[in-house]
Amino acid sequence: GENVEQHPSTLSVQEGDSAVIKCTYSDSASNYFPWYKQELGKRPQLIIDIRSNVGEKKDQRIAVTLNKTAKHFSLHITETQPEDSAVYFCAARLQGAQKLVFGQGTRLTINP
Amino acid sequence: NAGVTQTPKFRVLKTGQSMTLLCAQDMNHEYMYWYRQDPGMGLRLIHYSVGEGTTAKGEVPDGYNVSRLKKQNFLLGLESAAPSQTSVYFCASSWSRGNTEAFFGQGTRLTVV
Repeated sequence: GENVEQHPSTLSVQEGDSAVIKCTYSDSASNYFPWYKQELGKRPQLIIDIRSNVGEKKDQRIAVTLNKTAKHFSLHITETQPEDSAVYFCAARLQGAQKLVFGQGTRLTINP
Repeated sequence: NAGVTQTPKFRVLKTGQSMTLLCAQDMNHEYMYWYRQDPGMGLRLIHYSVGEGTTAKGEVPDGYNVSRLKKQNFLLGLESAAPSQTSVYFCASSWSRGNTEAFFGQGTRLTVV
């Protein structure tokens, strides 16, 4: 089955700097890669996703890149703000499969 | 439009007791999932369902049972609770095709003493 590894487990950056979180997946048949943000005490919510036929996707300060050859994808947050502080999860879904497999999560802290 | 709703939000159980967690969604989604969230271990899939009357095992199914008698509801049961089942449980649902975003419930914090 699919296995997703996420790094780093914790990340601290200065407000205004960029943050990058990386994930690797094991099954080359995976074709859907979402990123979820979970604020303290709240439910995970989708912030951006990418499909395997696209190499990069941007939404304002957030971008996701996908390298199918290396089987890894990354979340990039630019001009970080205090409200970006949260736990971020990557995930992967195999083509035709029903299961969404999550990474271990990254706790991002934005220092003022 | 409530989305995904979990009941209860908090619960304390004694070892050996049983309980059922209820997940209800009003988006007519085919797929429903139960995850547990533990520190440093992300979201691990317990069981899932691809439609009414069907269920399947996820990564960590032992000690749990599920049922999906109605499309909008997915129940997670603990027959004999153990301290290792202390966790935050999240239910989620999604479409089967097209936009496959998973929508999560607000979570249930379960403590087994």
